Amino acid sequence: EAQVTQNPRYLITVTGKKLTVTCSQNMNHEYMSWYRQDPGLGLRQIYYSMNVEVTDKGDVPEGYKVSRKEKRNFPLILESPSPNQTSLYFCASSWTGGNSPLHFGNGTRLTVT
Amino acid sequence: SQQGEEDPQALSIQEGENATMNCSYKTSINNLQWYRQNSGRGLVHLILIRSNEREKHSGRLRVTLDTSKKSSSLLITASRAADTASYFCATDASGSRLTFGEGTQLTVNP
Repeated sequence: EAQVTQNPRYLITVTGKKLTVTCSQNMNHEYMSWYRQDPGLGLRQIYYSMNVEVTDKGDVPEGYKVSRKEKRNFPLILESPSPNQTSLYFCASSWTGGNSPLHFGNGTRLTVT
Repeated sequence: SQQGEEDPQALSIQEGENATMNCSYKTSINNLQWYRQNSGRGLVHLILIRSNEREKHSGRLRVTLDTSKKSSSLLITASRAADTASYFCATDASGSRLTFGEGTQLTVNP
């Protein structure tokens, strides 16, 4: 089954403790992206990747890192999480970025205390 | 930056009625897409309409695009309780990323 898999589904952590949210897709998509969703703010893009070893900042990249060493994986790294990064995070992939439909993972709900 | 803005923010209708949601955007686009999100879950793609298209249909969904007014509408006909969800428009202006609006919360009452 074609899917985007994010892990973990829920994560509670403390300020400053490094964490990684994993994302993997099995559709051989070239484009992958991370979004965060907050009430009243919709979905805001954090980072995106057009292909392996190619990443670009989205609208809200501060406090996040990404890497794209393999086509299927696009982990999101929070080196020093802060409470304002408490949010619902979505990974998504598509063939060509904005020109094709995005396939979303089921989300990771992160709470930073 | 938010490109698309949906209107209304919330819509409540009875089963069997039609639901219309609107999306306005600011800059020229390559395409506009509509997505559905069930509570807290990942978004699901519904329809993609390109800038040179004016109308597209998919089952009970009808999407229109007016590039002169920089607006789009999503019509769901003969709505069902299962259509209850948030609906988002997303625009592609650069070919490399989609920018989402804040969504319309649709409630379909049985």
